[in-house]
Amino acid sequence: QVQLKESGPGLVQPSRTLSLTCTVSGFSLTSYGVSWVRQPPGKGLEWIAAIWSGGSTDYNSALKSRLSISRDTSKSQVLLKMNSLQTEDTAMYFCARRATTGYFDYWGQGVMVTVSS
Amino acid sequence: EIVLTQSPTTTAASPGEKVTITCLASSSVSNMYWYQQKSGASPKLLIYSTSSLASGVPDRFSGSGSGTSYSLTINTMEAEDAATYYCQQWSSNPDTFGAGTKLELK
Repeated sequence: QVQLKESGPGLVQPSRTLSLTCTVSGFSLTSYGVSWVRQPPGKGLEWIAAIWSGGSTDYNSALKSRLSISRDTSKSQVLLKMNSLQTEDTAMYFCARRATTGYFDYWGQGVMVTVSS
Repeated sequence: EIVLTQSPTTTAASPGEKVTITCLASSSVSNMYWYQQKSGASPKLLIYSTSSLASGVPDRFSGSGSGTSYSLTINTMEAEDAATYYCQQWSSNPDTFGAGTKLELK
């Protein structure tokens, strides 16, 4: 069955770089795109970045200068790096599979990231 | 960036009651998607391509709309429907979500 699982550090210091990994199973990264979506505590959802089945990438323009998304198809992993972290980056970070017609049909459980010294 | 405005922000319904949530887009979009998120859980796809029910979603849920106005309807409220609901568009990059509608059980 389709599964996505996020992993990463729970706590990151301000100005440091965050590295998150999404490990997928039940589908191929060369057949489906994967996006990262975040949710600050008590707030709504914000799309961050996407990597498509062909390997091309898209970023939220508000965060683009700080983001890098990549994948390792041999490990079925999607990697997200975000630099210059600030307290407002504190959020639950989800990875989600994107169906060919645009919606997110499967989501990971999320990983909570707190930015604090 | 297309802004999605959901209304109401919060609402409450009694079991059996009909609920309608509206999502207005700042520019025309070709499709709308709807998600349900319960407390402490990840979002779950409810409706795709404006009106298609995702797998396993009860048929008391329905979606409609076009252009800049879309809606999600729960025909008869059940206790398990208490959650926050989000609309999402992908017609224009970047993807954007509505701010959410919290639905409570009365």
